[in-house]
Amino acid sequence: KQEVTQIPAALSVPEGENLVLNCSFTDSAIYNLQWFRQDPGKGLTSLLLIQSSQREQTSGRLNASLDKSSGRSTLYIAASQPGDSATYLCAVYSGGGADGLTFGKGTHLIIQP
Amino acid sequence: DAGVIQSPRHEVTEMGQEVTLRCKPISGHDYLFWYRQTMMRGLELLIYFNNNVPIDDSGMPEDRFSAKMPNASFSTLKIQPSEPRDSAVYFCASSRGLAGETQYFGPGTRLLVL
Repeated sequence: KQEVTQIPAALSVPEGENLVLNCSFTDSAIYNLQWFRQDPGKGLTSLLLIQSSQREQTSGRLNASLDKSSGRSTLYIAASQPGDSATYLCAVYSGGGADGLTFGKGTHLIIQP
Repeated sequence: DAGVIQSPRHEVTEMGQEVTLRCKPISGHDYLFWYRQTMMRGLELLIYFNNNVPIDDSGMPEDRFSAKMPNASFSTLKIQPSEPRDSAVYFCASSRGLAGETQYFGPGTRLLVL
């Protein structure tokens, strides 16, 4: 059964720093990996989706990389801002229906002004 | 499009009462998902529908939980009778497909069972 781990569970950094969030998964046979953002009291918003054939995706100050063979993905946030404060979740899709989508428990990020 | 709409946003009820959560997916999306999120277990898939048909309900914790999708624009998740351990945030999401397609989440219903 696929397991997704996100470390650290929480992170607090000063504004302006570049930072990296980590995601690891146990089964490398995946179709894609997504990074989501969740603000307090709200649902998840998809940030980036990386197909299994891709190595990275970029959107603005965000860059997500995927190393399928090692079961790892990173989300790089450049020049962090207080508005980036949220919980970031990683999810991998392993096929076989919707139950093939496995979420990590997230990294709670706080950007200090 | 207004996105995925859920109601109510908050629900407080007493143990033993029936609870009904509602969801309106994004128009044109063929898939609808119900999730439950808790601090201990994270985000768990309860059930999902394709073209209004339930495909996999193996994530539904017990017979006390049931879900329906009578048409393409409406779904309900019912808990009867409710128990304190059902307290969680329940999310509805919809998408055009599975693999390679983004799921769009609603704002969630925060349920507290006393």
